[in-house]
Amino acid sequence: SQQGEEDPQALSIQEGENATMNCSYKTSINNLQWYRQNSGRGLVHLILIRSNEREKHSGRLRVTLDTSKKSSSLLITASRAADTASYFCATMNSGYSTLTFGKGTMLLVSP
Amino acid sequence: NAGVTQTPKFRVLKTGQSMTLLCAQDMNHEYMYWYRQDPGMGLRLIHYSVGEGTTAKGEVPDGYNVSRLKKQNFLLGLESAAPSQTSVYFCASSSHSSNEQFFGPGTRLTVL
Repeated sequence: SQQGEEDPQALSIQEGENATMNCSYKTSINNLQWYRQNSGRGLVHLILIRSNEREKHSGRLRVTLDTSKKSSSLLITASRAADTASYFCATMNSGYSTLTFGKGTMLLVSP
Repeated sequence: NAGVTQTPKFRVLKTGQSMTLLCAQDMNHEYMYWYRQDPGMGLRLIHYSVGEGTTAKGEVPDGYNVSRLKKQNFLLGLESAAPSQTSVYFCASSSHSSNEQFFGPGTRLTVL
């Protein structure tokens, strides 16, 4: 069953705006990861945040993790048309080597 | 480095036919995974392997078999294809020291 659930399912913004996507999960995790998928392509890893971390940055990406609420958010600042893609959160449970993916958020960034 | 490659890219099967999807990685990764992606469903894990000669079931293993005879290759087999197996199949790999997964470009399979 899906562990992570992204919200919203779809997001449409203008270039230059910030995009925020949320992910909720159900069970305790070891880490949470975000991936991007361009149409018709494989997934690309963006960022990983461990259960003992609260915030992490990578370029224009900012990820937060609230283990008490079992939720995470991905913020993309100053969005570009090239950011148009689907974004998935994936959780790894403690003691396991597998990921459970959510259904994704489709982001459309218009020029 | 090619990373993770998948063969074939596209395939059309008739119900009852069999086929094998090949995944190869050149990063010396210990772990390999097979997922299927259906519209609105995200990715679901079919089978995975934590090392040469070992395999384990994922979330949706029924109707599929796998083999990992060589560290760099992970094969996914469909013995008797069904229309419900129409999907896009992705292979991924990761090292035991990093939880980041590297994905192949996918195989689009249609079962008529």
